Formats: sequence, C-alpha cells, structure tokens
Amino acid sequence: QVQLQESGPGLVKPSETLSLTCTVSGGSISSSSYYWGWIRQPPGKGLEWIGSIYYRGSTYYNPSLKSRVTLSVDTSKNQFSLKVSSVTAADTAFYYCARHWGSSSSELDYWGQGTLVTVSS
Amino acid sequence: DIQMTQSPSSLSASVGDRVTITCRASQSITTFLNWYQQKPGKAPKLLIYGASTLQSGVPSRFSGSGSGTDFTLTISSLQPEDFATYYCQHSYSTPPSFGQGTRLEIK
Repeated sequence: QVQLQESGPGLVKPSETLSLTCTVSGGSISSSSYYWGWIRQPPGKGLEWIGSIYYRGSTYYNPSLKSRVTLSVDTSKNQFSLKVSSVTAADTAFYYCARHWGSSSSELDYWGQGTLVTVSS
Repeated sequence: DIQMTQSPSSLSASVGDRVTITCRASQSITTFLNWYQQKPGKAPKLLIYGASTLQSGVPSRFSGSGSGTDFTLTISSLQPEDFATYYCQHSYSTPPSFGQGTRLEIK
C-alpha cells in the first residue's frame, strides 16, 4: 500500500519561500506509471492543483502559480519537493502531495494526509 | 484553462435518498472526469475516474456518467458515511482543475 507523507515548516513569513517535502513509502517513486503532484486547499475553500513531476524530472505547473513554484525529485530518498517563493497570506493553505496515475494531469489515486502552512509574520 | 462548475453548491438529504451532483466543463473533456469525496480534516479520496469507472474499494452505490461537457455523480442510497464534500476534476489537460465542491449535508 502506497503512502505519502508531507513534511516541512507550518509557519512561513511573508515574502519568504515555502518548502515542503513528500516522502513516498510502500512503492518506488521511480515507477514509469506515475507522476507526483501537489494540491493545496485554503481553509474552508476548494482544491487547487499546483503542479506535478515525473521521476526523471519533467515538471508541469499550473500557469497561475508557475512563476513562483519549483518542483524537484530525489529518487534516492523516494521524495519529491515543492517550493513556493514570495509567499503572501493568500498562500496559507493545506498542502497535499498525491500520486497521478498514468500522466501528469490524470486522476490522483493516493494522497498524503496534508499539512497546514500558515503565512504570517 | 478549463473551468469546472458543480451544482448544487450544497445539498441536504436523508439516509436512503438518491442524490445526484452535476459537473459541467467549459469545453469538451470527453470522459476525462474524476470525482473525489472529502470528509472534514481528511484528504480527498478518489471515487470515480474516467467519468464512470469506480475506484477499487468504492461502494457500488456510487456511480458516474457523462461525456463531453456534462457529468453526474449519483449516490443510489445515501449512507451516514456519505455526508461529505464532493469535487469533480478534469484530467484532460494542464492544469487539471477542480470544481468548487458540493457539500452534502444531513437533512
């Protein structure tokens, strides 16, 4: 059973960079069948897809966030990571990592439990 | 970007009721449509992909239909554990955007 777990600071100051890591267990991040994604959800609001990455490093971003988002992957640690630069209060959200089955924008069949990141001074 | 619009935004129903939630895409997405269930404090859970294929382990009272721009999620007989928020999501192109959600509440 694949499991995903987000980790990183829960509080980030405005204008700084938000950094999160997702650790995958119970399966290899290097499988050719999957892409690995990030989704966020402001408290009490809907879901926003941030982007996805393939184990070989190909990245796919939401145009609305592309200028501030960087995804990376570390296959040796079975992890992938998210960075969002120049954060504001609007970036306060639950951040989820998840697995895309088959393509960079396909259905998300496994999700982490999510982590709340608050942007505040 | 493709916009996804769900209706209704909220719905009150009773255990045993048949419930239908609608999702409309701003352009044709053929059958690249997924449905998720989210309970408070939890991550979303994939229910249906490809518009009508039930994810493994999902009860058969859930079903999905539609193609092109109009899709439906039906719960044939509501159970207490089905009260949650439901989201549609297209997987036709990048970004794979979500609908705004439908909150299903107990009447």
